[in-house]
Amino acid sequence: DTGVSQNPRHKITKRGQNVTFRCDPISEHNRLYWYRQTLGQGPEFLTYFQNEAQLEKSRLLSDRFSAERPKGSFSTLEIQRTEQGDSAMYLCASSGKRLAGSSYEQYFGPGTRLTVT
Amino acid sequence: AQKVTQAQTEISVVEKEDVTLDCVYETRDTTYYLFWYKQPPSGELVFLIRRNSFDEQNEISGRYSWNFQKSTSSFNFTITASQVVDSAVYFCALSEWQGGSEKLVFGKGTKLTVNP
Repeated sequence: DTGVSQNPRHKITKRGQNVTFRCDPISEHNRLYWYRQTLGQGPEFLTYFQNEAQLEKSRLLSDRFSAERPKGSFSTLEIQRTEQGDSAMYLCASSGKRLAGSSYEQYFGPGTRLTVT
Repeated sequence: AQKVTQAQTEISVVEKEDVTLDCVYETRDTTYYLFWYKQPPSGELVFLIRRNSFDEQNEISGRYSWNFQKSTSSFNFTITASQVVDSAVYFCALSEWQGGSEKLVFGKGTKLTVNP
């Protein structure tokens, strides 16, 4: 286990189609994050899981977006009825258990680049 | 609200020059963490450093050094004797410790090009 993996690396889809991305975090990490990055911008937070519980969602995450993390292991991010504005790089990150007063760095996967035509 | 500003959009230097990347942040919290990440052309974000708000000591790691100044809300990053392999987009990020997600708020990044 060398890091966070994401699949697929690239996805081209037609507007209106549904897409699903997968993230496999570092095995001992219980925290998992999804971010979205558009061209020329920094990543923007989408949602956060601690184990299997989704504890925070950004306002960027519209009703067409849903994320799951069954059994607290891998996570999936689904976008329904894709729109051209959904074209972006979707990044997954994981971090270890947090001790009181500390913050563990987030390790990022290579991302899934989505193009909606 | 949290905000991170990286005013330099692009910087171009010649190999072996020193270069400083600026980062200014805004937060209302007293406990927070600052980060720098590197994003090479391959696209994967690489963690470089984490700093907490109570530790204002500067840090040096090889050719990299970081200057954290709470008084000016800045966390600048210097690369000494730059190399072509340093070419990448560098992001500064902030997270607040509120017992929540510790999500990262990123700046827009500074694209560094090191020419041979």
